[in-house]
Amino acid sequence: EDQVTQSPEALRLQEGESSSLNCSYTVSGLRGLFWYRQDPGKGPEFLFTLYSAGEEKEKERLKATLTKKESFLHITAPKPEDSATYLCAVCPLAQGGSEKLVFGKGTKLTVNP
Amino acid sequence: DSGVTQTPKHLITATGQRVTLRCSPRSGDLSVYWYQQSLDQGLQFLIQYYNGEERAKGNILERFSAQQFPDLHSELNLSSLELGDSALYFCASSVGSVNEQFFGPGTRLTVL
Repeated sequence: EDQVTQSPEALRLQEGESSSLNCSYTVSGLRGLFWYRQDPGKGPEFLFTLYSAGEEKEKERLKATLTKKESFLHITAPKPEDSATYLCAVCPLAQGGSEKLVFGKGTKLTVNP
Repeated sequence: DSGVTQTPKHLITATGQRVTLRCSPRSGDLSVYWYQQSLDQGLQFLIQYYNGEERAKGNILERFSAQQFPDLHSELNLSSLELGDSALYFCASSVGSVNEQFFGPGTRLTVL
């Protein structure tokens, strides 16, 4: 069964204190791995797509990396506005070519000023 | 703003009732996905439509059904509602293939 596990469940940082969020996955075959940001009561906001091991993507203070078993979301010098729940999702190989996503339960990040 | 719209924003109804949630995808996107988000389960895939045809089903109950219309908007119908159906329901759209999915703001369903 395709599965995504994110750790930690919650993370508190001081402004400027860099850290990493982990996403480990087991899938029948990986077509893509996605990172989303979700604010309370809102829809997930797309951040990155990674397709193959070794790939890296960056956007402002965020950098996503991918290996064959896990992905990391590195947050450099975070600011309070980075506080949100970060969701990791995989698109597994599926019959019929569906692009459904399997989500982890997320890491709730709080950045204190 | 992702470009995906969902109505209504909130829905409060009673057990046993039937409701319809509506989604309009981003312009040009052919795929529509429905997800359910509850506190204990996280985001769960329900169903996908591609250009009017059902492409995949996930953990969707038999009491739930969906369709995609010729103008590509989609509706999710939930019937014989139970307390446990209370959740956030999200619609997402993409151009198809393994591309990023863009999520709407969601419909919060409360079943009393």
